[in-house]
Amino acid sequence: NAGVTQTPKFRILKIGQSMTLQCTQDMNHNYMYWYRQDPGMGLKLIYYSVGAGITDKGEVPNGYNVSRSTTEDFPLRLELAAPSQTSVYFCASRAGWGATSGSYTFGSGTRLTVV
Amino acid sequence: AQTVTQSQPEMSVQEAETVTLSCTYDTSESNYYLFWYKQPPSRQMILVIRQEAYKQQNATENRFSVNFQKAAKSFSLKISDSQLGDTAMYFCAFGSQDNDMRFGAGTRLTVKP
Repeated sequence: NAGVTQTPKFRILKIGQSMTLQCTQDMNHNYMYWYRQDPGMGLKLIYYSVGAGITDKGEVPNGYNVSRSTTEDFPLRLELAAPSQTSVYFCASRAGWGATSGSYTFGSGTRLTVV
Repeated sequence: AQTVTQSQPEMSVQEAETVTLSCTYDTSESNYYLFWYKQPPSRQMILVIRQEAYKQQNATENRFSVNFQKAAKSFSLKISDSQLGDTAMYFCAFGSQDNDMRFGAGTRLTVKP
């Protein structure tokens, strides 16, 4: 079971560059999420998706875009990178809420530095 | 909006002793879930324990147990027989069907030999 796979694990960007963080899950989960974790802080929700073709903004969406063309993939796009986007990015997925579900499966994270 | 508060930025405990991490939350919903996640230096987020709000019985997972006080909106994590491998950041989180997971700022736990 691969679970949630994120690539790359590390990346350094220059100010103004763009990049896409990849996220793939093989659990057939409908719900997928992108979070960012700033140093010493908890996770803040950037974007989420409740199924293929459906996405919505979270708490901190500015400077990011997402797409969900398939159930498995949920890439996060950074346009015009800024130093404030230096963070660790986590992708997560979950099945629906219920007696044995609701908890998230997380990827291993991408550490992004914008210089 | 749902908020999750962890008031202890850092804690330490001697190996084999017991430690309790605090968490409070605010919500107007009646049906929700609460979680504790562990984040070791590897950065991986690992689910420690989960609690359904409609269940009165406190959840337990081996050395980990919770004290869920729904009226007080409190959800503390007790780690018994602490081990060196328990050293990590611990995040309390709230989730519900209408709202996706919100995390507290975390508590850094150090287990000392």
